[in-house]
Amino acid sequence: EADIYQTPRYLVIGTGKKITLECSQTMGHDKMYWYQQDPGMELHLIHYSYGVNSTEKGDLSSESTVSRIRTEHFPLTLESARPSHTSQYLCASGQETQYFGPGTRLLVL
Amino acid sequence: AQKVTQAQTEISVVEKEDVTLDCVYETRDTTYYLFWYKQPPSGELVFLIRRNSFDEQNEISGRYSWNFQKSTSSFNFTITASQVVDSAVYFCALSEWDGNQFYFGTGTSLTVIP
Repeated sequence: EADIYQTPRYLVIGTGKKITLECSQTMGHDKMYWYQQDPGMELHLIHYSYGVNSTEKGDLSSESTVSRIRTEHFPLTLESARPSHTSQYLCASGQETQYFGPGTRLLVL
Repeated sequence: AQKVTQAQTEISVVEKEDVTLDCVYETRDTTYYLFWYKQPPSGELVFLIRRNSFDEQNEISGRYSWNFQKSTSSFNFTITASQVVDSAVYFCALSEWDGNQFYFGTGTSLTVIP
């Protein structure tokens, strides 16, 4: 299993602010993922990485960006938050199995 | 194309009843993995089980059991003697053999009524 951490767990922020959602894992997994999900609804892949300096966009168009400078760290940044970004963001890592972090619930006012 | 279908959107059962969550998948690959995840109200997705396409043996873990049938492309999940703590959204997923791409179903919301 992976130990995977996300901060913050909850965030309320005003429109136009820049935010970074943190995701770290301690298992040395090359593969990491970001999903956007309204609670209990379908998961949408927004970004993934197969290793350091490798990032790709997922199926759902997103105005966010990611970076992968270190294996254990995969932060997601929103340059200018909007109410439409209100959602839960789930980070995952793993080789054959994806293990998920606790998620960040974002509310943009 | 890869696809996972969970036709049951919501299910309600009374505590101690058995319940089966259906999962049907589509893939052109001959080797792949299948998964079940649980998402309680707290929001985290909890990994429950992974099966590879070579192994069609049913699996039992406590009150949970899984039935994998390649002939019908199904990977169903049964909870025996359901409990209130089983109330959650359950997701079925399919991945390629290298684990690079995951395909999640839309989830089944299970409510266990005390």
